[in-house]
Amino acid sequence: GAVVSQHPSRVICKSGTSVKIECRSLDFQATTMFWYRQFPKQSLMLMATSNEGSKATYEQGVEKDKFLINHASLTLSTLTVTSAHPEDSSFYICSALDRYNEKLFFGSGTQLSVL
Amino acid sequence: GENVEQHPSTLSVQEGDSAVIKCTYSDSASNYFPWYKQELGKRPQLIIDIRSNVGEKKDQRIAVTLNKTAKHFSLHITETQPEDSAVYFCAASWLQGGSEKLVFGKGTKLTVNP
Repeated sequence: GAVVSQHPSRVICKSGTSVKIECRSLDFQATTMFWYRQFPKQSLMLMATSNEGSKATYEQGVEKDKFLINHASLTLSTLTVTSAHPEDSSFYICSALDRYNEKLFFGSGTQLSVL
Repeated sequence: GENVEQHPSTLSVQEGDSAVIKCTYSDSASNYFPWYKQELGKRPQLIIDIRSNVGEKKDQRIAVTLNKTAKHFSLHITETQPEDSAVYFCAASWLQGGSEKLVFGKGTKLTVNP
C-alpha cells in the first residue's frame, strides 16, 4: 500500500515552545490530508482537514491559532503546535487520502510530551 | 454530522475462534466503510473496506458485511491468531463542506489468547 511518512516520531519539549510535525505522502499525491489526536486507549479524534493550497478546516473545539496547519504541496502537510503546554501532550497522527484508489493511509504518529 | 458507534469495546477470544465487531452509523449518505487495525504505539493499518454498492467483502480470514437499511456493518475474523490482537477501529465516510472525511468508532480491543 501507499506510504505516509511522519516525523518526528517522538518529541519532548519545554512548555512555551513550538513543535512542527511533518507528514509526507511518499509515493502518491495527496490533495487532502487529515490530522488526528489520540489519547491513550481512545479513538482517533479528527482535528483538521488540510487541502493542498487552501486553508485548513478545523473541527469544533480545535484552536486554529494553536495548531497551525500548512499544506503547501501535494505531498507535504505540516502541523505546528504553537506555545505548547503539558495538556497538549498526546499522540498526533496524520493521514493522507490517495485519490487514485480513494483510500486513506496513516503516518506512524508523533508522541509529543510537553514538560 | 455522522456518528459511529462501535461494540464491543473489548473482546477476548481463544485462538482459533471467530471474532465479530459491530458498528452502526447515523448518516444514510455515508458510502465508504473501512476497518483499521492499530497495534500499540503504531499507526492504524487499513485491513479491509467496503463501499455501499456491495453487501459483503472477504479477504482470507477477514470479512466485512454491510447492511445499509439498518445502517450497520461488521468485521468478522475467523480462525483468530495471537497476532490478531490489537485495537480495531471502524469508520464511516462523511461529506462536509465538499470534503469527504472519516468518522471513527471508539475502537475494540481484541485479545486472542493462545
